[in-house]
Amino acid sequence: DTVLTQSPALAVSPGERVTISCRASESVSTLMHWYQQKPGQQPTLLIYLASNLESGVPARFSGSGSGTDFTLTIDPVEADDTATYYCQQSWNDPWTFGGGTKLELK
Amino acid sequence: QVQLKETGPDLVQLTQTLSITCTVSGFSLTTYNVHWVRQPPGKGLEWMGAMWNGGGTDYNSAFKSRLSISRDTSKSQVFLKMNSLQTDDTAKYFCARDNNYYFDYWGQGVMVTVSS
Repeated sequence: DTVLTQSPALAVSPGERVTISCRASESVSTLMHWYQQKPGQQPTLLIYLASNLESGVPARFSGSGSGTDFTLTIDPVEADDTATYYCQQSWNDPWTFGGGTKLELK
Repeated sequence: QVQLKETGPDLVQLTQTLSITCTVSGFSLTTYNVHWVRQPPGKGLEWMGAMWNGGGTDYNSAFKSRLSISRDTSKSQVFLKMNSLQTDDTAKYFCARDNNYYFDYWGQGVMVTVSS
């Protein structure tokens, strides 16, 4: 299975720029997607196909990468961005998720 | 508008079978694929399997032969059945719509506890 590795947690101050990384154990081309999940809620789509912003998602969110290394950037971070962020690949079967990065605001 | 809603039991006994229904609206099951994803308490997301729009299925081999996904297009419903439940199957189970390889809509999920 394709393993997606994310840093477990990050802490940033409002107004700062934060990058959340996701490294794949094998190439996933650009079939990498990012989700935000707040406690008790379902995940919501932020970025699809590595760099495409989902409709309705603030332009503060952006994604980049291809192959094995991907990044989700939030600039500037706002208080409402406190959440866990997951990457997910759909190039290799089975589809897999990263372990999640919990973003906390200082 | 697009909606997905999971319904199922809160509690399932050890070794018994779990059945969850995902009822969708705002789109057709013959146009979009629907997947099942689960999340144990305090843990990450795990892809379980898919119902393809053409009627085929795909399963995560981690669930071996325990998992079955089916659908009733006339009722806009997708079904998950998983047998031989263990305590580590305690999780919130989500259905999600697949829009070209990514999940653009999710249900709110149903929390299932496996009890001994």
